Amino acid sequence: DQQVKQNSPSLSVQEGRISILNCDYTNSMFDYFLWYKKYPAEGPTFLISISSIKDKNEDGRFTVFLNKSAKHLSLHIVPSQPGDSAVYFCAASRSGTYKYIFGTGTRLKVLA
Amino acid sequence: KAGVTQTPRYLIKTRGQQVTLSCSPISGHRSVSWYQQTPGQGLQFLFEYFSETQRNKGNFPGRFSGRQFSNSRSEMNVSTLELGDSALYLCASSLVWDSQIEAFFGQGTRLTVV
Repeated sequence: DQQVKQNSPSLSVQEGRISILNCDYTNSMFDYFLWYKKYPAEGPTFLISISSIKDKNEDGRFTVFLNKSAKHLSLHIVPSQPGDSAVYFCAASRSGTYKYIFGTGTRLKVLA
Repeated sequence: KAGVTQTPRYLIKTRGQQVTLSCSPISGHRSVSWYQQTPGQGLQFLFEYFSETQRNKGNFPGRFSGRQFSNSRSEMNVSTLELGDSALYLCASSLVWDSQIEAFFGQGTRLTVV
């Protein structure tokens, strides 16, 4: 049972444009959602997170939107840069635990 | 502030052997969770420790075990290694404050079983 899903395995975007990465979840008990950027053979790099009491959180070029009724979140990267090219994972957890359930990842390629 | 430190970075072991991996969380973080990443299965949860107590365990066989020490450092052990245990093992150090969460990962230990 895949509780966290990233349905787009890959995404290509032109440099300077917006990248939108999507994530869906099935468990309404999740309270926290996180986004990571990952390169092969390295640990994931934490980008941004959001609590279920919010619907938006911003940090620099990264904004995460949460739609609880649709059980959907998205990561917006504006403007996209070639250095953003990597695999992006969303993850979810419940309050009182640091057990993260990860999606399968979306490979982002930013074209110069 | 130092990040999450995992040692060793690389390991090659033979089938049937056992291995111990170490994770030192960010100073002040009392939580460590462990994950296995393989090409076919993605990032799978192994264990979660908080203040020396295992709070959750993933769906892995009993050959996988772990512990956390009073200084929050954690170790995981895999006994009777199988070829399928070859993977990148990652640990995360987490903190929740003011309704925000941060979880930082180490660089991982690449285990190859031959």
